[in-house]
Amino acid sequence: AQSVAQPEDQVNVAEGNPLTVKCTYSVSGNPYLFWYVQYPNRGLQFLLKYITGDNLVKGSYGFEAEFNKSQTSFHLKKPSALVSDSALYFCAVRPPMDTGRRALTFGSGTRLQVQP
Amino acid sequence: NAGVTQTPKFRILKIGQSMTLQCTQDMNHNYMYWYRQDPGMGLKLIYYSVGAGITDKGEVPNGYNVSRSTTEDFPLRLELAAPSQTSVYFCASTRGLDTIYFGEGSWLTVV
Repeated sequence: AQSVAQPEDQVNVAEGNPLTVKCTYSVSGNPYLFWYVQYPNRGLQFLLKYITGDNLVKGSYGFEAEFNKSQTSFHLKKPSALVSDSALYFCAVRPPMDTGRRALTFGSGTRLQVQP
Repeated sequence: NAGVTQTPKFRILKIGQSMTLQCTQDMNHNYMYWYRQDPGMGLKLIYYSVGAGITDKGEVPNGYNVSRSTTEDFPLRLELAAPSQTSVYFCASTRGLDTIYFGEGSWLTVV
């Protein structure tokens, strides 16, 4: 069965500094990987996804993520953090051979706190 | 431009009561899902549907039921509410190989 690990419950970064939110996965075959962001009392918003192709994926709001097959990682990055980036971030995976439910398996989430 | 719409946004239930969380999508997506979100636990799949008339259990289906009579609607029924069902519930949908889109969530407290 597939799984996703987000090893950090919280990441603190100063505004203007680069940020990284870590994600590792376990799945058979080449995975479909996603990042979502959740603001307080809101639903999950899609940020970016990796299906195939270039290992560096660019998404919304200046975020990007790097797929590393050998390390089974898909870390979320941003060159310069904003206070408004403070939110809960979820990494998710879907096995490529899941032709049934096509549901996502989520990590436990990482809270990003950007200090002014 | 509605996407996935859930109602109600907030609800307090007494133990043993029943209720239905409504979910509708206007994107003509075949696949629909119900997840629950508990603090520090990520999202867990309760039920899913691959099309009208077809539903199946996810990881945590106990205490819930669903139906899918139309492509648009995927209500979640809670029977005999228990404190363990206090959670945030999210409905989601996708065309299949595409991104999954989420509703705004329903905050449920069982007291």
